[in-house]
Amino acid sequence: RKEVEQDPGPFNVPEGATVAFNCTYSNSASQSFFWYRQDCRKEPKLLMSVYSSGNEDGRFTAQLNRASQYISLLIRDSKLSDSATYLCVVNEDSSYKLIFGSGTRLLVRP
Amino acid sequence: DVKVTQSSRYLVKRTGEKVFLECVQDMDHENMFWYRQDPGLGLRLIYFSYDVKMKEKGDIPEGYSVSREKKERFSLILESASTNQTSMYLCASSGTSGSTDTQYFGPGTRLTVL
Repeated sequence: RKEVEQDPGPFNVPEGATVAFNCTYSNSASQSFFWYRQDCRKEPKLLMSVYSSGNEDGRFTAQLNRASQYISLLIRDSKLSDSATYLCVVNEDSSYKLIFGSGTRLLVRP
Repeated sequence: DVKVTQSSRYLVKRTGEKVFLECVQDMDHENMFWYRQDPGLGLRLIYFSYDVKMKEKGDIPEGYSVSREKKERFSLILESASTNQTSMYLCASSGTSGSTDTQYFGPGTRLTVL
């Protein structure tokens, strides 16, 4: 079983749509959670951290459910520029080591 | 503005060659990482370093070695390249404010081993 699992997609949605991705993690002792964004042929970049209470950054909302061991990312009012791969990232033990999911691909069409 | 640079964007090598991938960061970060990224497998950690001359094995260190002689530079070495090392290699760095510190990535090196 993978440590961090994501639906690879692609999720193909029209502009303006709301889309949500989930990610599950296997280690219940995991400490920190993040979403990174990776554009085609580019490097990953931090999109947002995920806090226990949930957090919002503009059109993006991240949620953590420790009991069920999943995190989610909600994107409202999708833009063409949101097309990318979204990587779910977990830190298991407060070390410097991050565990990356293989990513969920989002395509936003006009 | 934070910056992580890698020596090459694209590299083609032959089986058995020794390959050096260089990474330089200008953020005075203590931690540096080497990953490889393959379709369907995500990013997998090869090695990381939390200080000059210090190194730790990641999840897939076999066939690789690293060198960190200066704080800003972290090198990945393929002693004898093999075709299964064809991949995208990504370097990253982070500071020391704890596990939640953001990792900043370089643009990647796409290595093809023939």
